[in-house]
Amino acid sequence: GQNIDQPTEMTATEGAIVQINCTYQTSGFNGLFWYQQHAGEAPTFLSYNVLDGLEEKGRFSSFLSRSKGYSYLLLKELQMKDSASYLCAVRTGGYNKLIFGAGTRLAVHP
Amino acid sequence: DVKVTQSSRYLVKRTGEKVFLECVQDMDHENMFWYRQDPGLGLRLIYFSYDVKMKEKGDIPEGYSVSREKKERFSLILESASTNQTSMYLCASSLASGTSRAYNEQFFGPGTRLTVL
Repeated sequence: GQNIDQPTEMTATEGAIVQINCTYQTSGFNGLFWYQQHAGEAPTFLSYNVLDGLEEKGRFSSFLSRSKGYSYLLLKELQMKDSASYLCAVRTGGYNKLIFGAGTRLAVHP
Repeated sequence: DVKVTQSSRYLVKRTGEKVFLECVQDMDHENMFWYRQDPGLGLRLIYFSYDVKMKEKGDIPEGYSVSREKKERFSLILESASTNQTSMYLCASSLASGTSRAYNEQFFGPGTRLTVL
């Protein structure tokens, strides 16, 4: 079967660091994506990992361990505008199909 | 900038009506996708298309059909709407697999919130 798990909700304080975990069990693997989705808006691409290790992009970093079926998204220096849902998605094969987790809703408080 | 547009942001229909949701992308993408998004379930793939007139079922195709007569346009059709099809519908597009672009992410439209009464 295909399964992607991530926490439903998280809260954090402005200026802090938060790590959102994602574990996956899929029949194939051809890359892992993180998307950000503000309430009522379209998901927007944040990061992509296909090889093990850390990818850093400004305040956001994403890590992948293929052997463990595990990824995390790290958000540093949190801002109020980072309050959103964060979606983990695995590309499993051809046609660029993605399987999505249910998303993690992050609330950033002052 | 890639732009994916959807015909309506909000739609209210009655049970049994035929419903058309339209999606247009302006970046000459080969792949187009229709998802529905429900609380606690995330995005689930309904149908996708990898070329004009080509379509493949996703994970939850029952009760839906699609049409892709032109490369830039992908339509989702609910032949006879039912209350359990009340949801947020998201369209996405991407370049074809195997392109030189390393990550080849999907680009999403703003969504259509459909309510079936």
